[in-house]
Amino acid sequence: QVQLVESGGGVVQPGRSLRLSCAASGFTLSNSYHMHWVRQAPGKGLEWVAVIWYDGSKKYYADSVKGRFTISRDNSKNTLYLQMNSLRAEDTALYYCARQYRGYDSWGQGTVVTVSS
Amino acid sequence: DIQMTQSPSSLSASVGDRVTITCRASQGISNYLAWYQQKPGKVPNLLIYAASTLQSGVPSRFSGSGSGTDFTLTISSLQPEDVATYYCQIYSSAPPTWTFGQGTKVEIK
Repeated sequence: QVQLVESGGGVVQPGRSLRLSCAASGFTLSNSYHMHWVRQAPGKGLEWVAVIWYDGSKKYYADSVKGRFTISRDNSKNTLYLQMNSLRAEDTALYYCARQYRGYDSWGQGTVVTVSS
Repeated sequence: DIQMTQSPSSLSASVGDRVTITCRASQGISNYLAWYQQKPGKVPNLLIYAASTLQSGVPSRFSGSGSGTDFTLTISSLQPEDVATYYCQIYSSAPPTWTFGQGTKVEIK
């Protein structure tokens, strides 16, 4: 059974950093699955954040986070990460990790990031 | 960048009604289009991929159509459990684009 479990969210001051993790189980992260982070601000729609290729060879970011966020994966730990630096109030959201297979066929439950002074 | 325009932003329909939601891409994306359903307080759920292929386990009253720039999600007979927000999404690796539409909130009249 495929499962994705995010962790690492919390309350952080503007300008600070946070690292999110997404532990995968029930499948092998390195097996041809691109992995994504998607976020949803309170009361708003879904916003794609970043993607990393199954082998880590390519990474792409939304313009809103480019230069501040870094996506990575440790296939030996079956875990996806999102390093978030220089956080802003507008980064406040529920962050999901998702597996891409013909669309996003599996999602985690999300972890909440609140950026506030 | 490829933009997605989803409409309407909300709709209210009666149980049993046929409901249609549309998404238009700013340039052709072949059939790399998915539809998701997000019920209040829940995680999004994949309904349709490749514009028209129903994900396993999704009721057959949901269907998708379109190719190129114009896409449609249809609920053939609206049910109370279909109250949710629906999103379209481009998922294309070339050019790299994973943009979501703005969402359509579906309610029962």
